[in-house]
Amino acid sequence: DIQMTQSPSSLSASVGDRVTITCRASQGIRNSLAWYQQKPGKAPDLLVYAASKLESGVPSRFSGSGSGTDYTLTISSLQPEDFATYYCQQYFSSPLLSFGGGTKMEI
Amino acid sequence: QLQLQESGPGLVKASETLSVTCSVSGGSISTTNYYWVWIRQPPGRGLEWIGSLFYSGMNSGSTYYNSSLKSRVTISVDPSRNQFSLNLTSVAAADTAVYYCARDGSHRDGSNAKPNDVWGQGTLVTVSS
Repeated sequence: DIQMTQSPSSLSASVGDRVTITCRASQGIRNSLAWYQQKPGKAPDLLVYAASKLESGVPSRFSGSGSGTDYTLTISSLQPEDFATYYCQQYFSSPLLSFGGGTKMEI
Repeated sequence: QLQLQESGPGLVKASETLSVTCSVSGGSISTTNYYWVWIRQPPGRGLEWIGSLFYSGMNSGSTYYNSSLKSRVTISVDPSRNQFSLNLTSVAAADTAVYYCARDGSHRDGSNAKPNDVWGQGTLVTVSS
């Protein structure tokens, strides 16, 4: 099984900040990496897939990068609606999937 | 527009079997384009993939399970109702969670290769002692 390690687990930031979240896979996953945003009481929303492709409708302040085992999600200028929990997910071993532990972004 | 809707009992007694169903509307469950997935989230915790179903309209489909749950999980399909279901046996308090269904198109080619881009709203199942 591929294990996903996400850091930090929580992050305190302010509106306008540039923030970066990191995800490391236990083996190479060839950019088969997605990022999700989840707000309280809601299902997760897909933000980024294939490590760097933005899902339709996702603001351009979100970007993904990385290769091999290490990947990052960057928000260039935090907006009030971005305070949420973010998860990475590998799908290299699809249909076997796995998620990182999550990063809770707080003011 | 594809939509997914979970339905479940809300409350299940410990040691019994948890059953939740996902109803698919706006598209057919009989497709090679997507796997159909169950994911859960215990209160205040992270996401856990439970298992996936591939159903092309032939036989009963193929299933894939999280190794940590494999001995207790069964995912099945009812194509006549355009639904797929999750059964989890011998439940305990640790199985209390919001159960989500989602689709997975990550095996597709090119720009269509997206993982879980459509989710249901989730259904909370509480295991009581």
